[in-house]
Amino acid sequence: GAVVSQHPSWVICKSGTSVKIECRSLDFQATTMFWYRQFPKQSLMLMATSNEGSKATYEQGVEKDKFLINHASLTLSTLTVTSAHPEDSSFYICSAAGTAGSGELFFGEGSRLTVL
Amino acid sequence: QQQVKQSPQSLIVQKGGISIINCAYENTAFDYFPWYQQFPGKGPALLIAIRPDVSEKKEGRFTISFNKSAKQFSLHIMDSQPGDSATYFCAASMNSGYSTLTFGKGTMLLVSP
Repeated sequence: GAVVSQHPSWVICKSGTSVKIECRSLDFQATTMFWYRQFPKQSLMLMATSNEGSKATYEQGVEKDKFLINHASLTLSTLTVTSAHPEDSSFYICSAAGTAGSGELFFGEGSRLTVL
Repeated sequence: QQQVKQSPQSLIVQKGGISIINCAYENTAFDYFPWYQQFPGKGPALLIAIRPDVSEKKEGRFTISFNKSAKQFSLHIMDSQPGDSATYFCAASMNSGYSTLTFGKGTMLLVSP
């Protein structure tokens, strides 16, 4: 299947700093990528849908100024957690849609963010 | 409102046994039903998926059964192995091009040796 790479796999930062997480589709072009957040032993919560060349669509309750999403190319989307606080500590996962209309989503390995 | 209900929350099965996880959905517009397997600290990986034009799909030891009238689908893992121990998520989408998945809450499966 298609490969989606996420970087970094884990990051620790101080409260108040910003952290950028990258999501790349390695062997296919993804016009749409999705960003999820997952708390321990819970399901994935969709944060936003990222479309190449346009503004991201955020789910209700997700602060777009807090979680900046940029999808500058067909193979790269980034999530920046701005002015991070301990409550932002979580597992962030991206996914990319495969062939248009197939419904298949390929997930990255996830990024564990810990804010001290 | 939870659109995809998954049960059980956790499951313990002996090696060689059959693991069964069930999901029910509400939105009749859903037309794509994947199952994902997630190991601790890793992202979900697509395991198997089904569309409503078939009632069953089998890939190796994994089988999806789909009941459109009941709006239910289930994952069966035959000959369960300790390496199958993971969290399993069912999901559904309307597949309108680039799909937004609605996930179930997950089932933690433990296969005892």
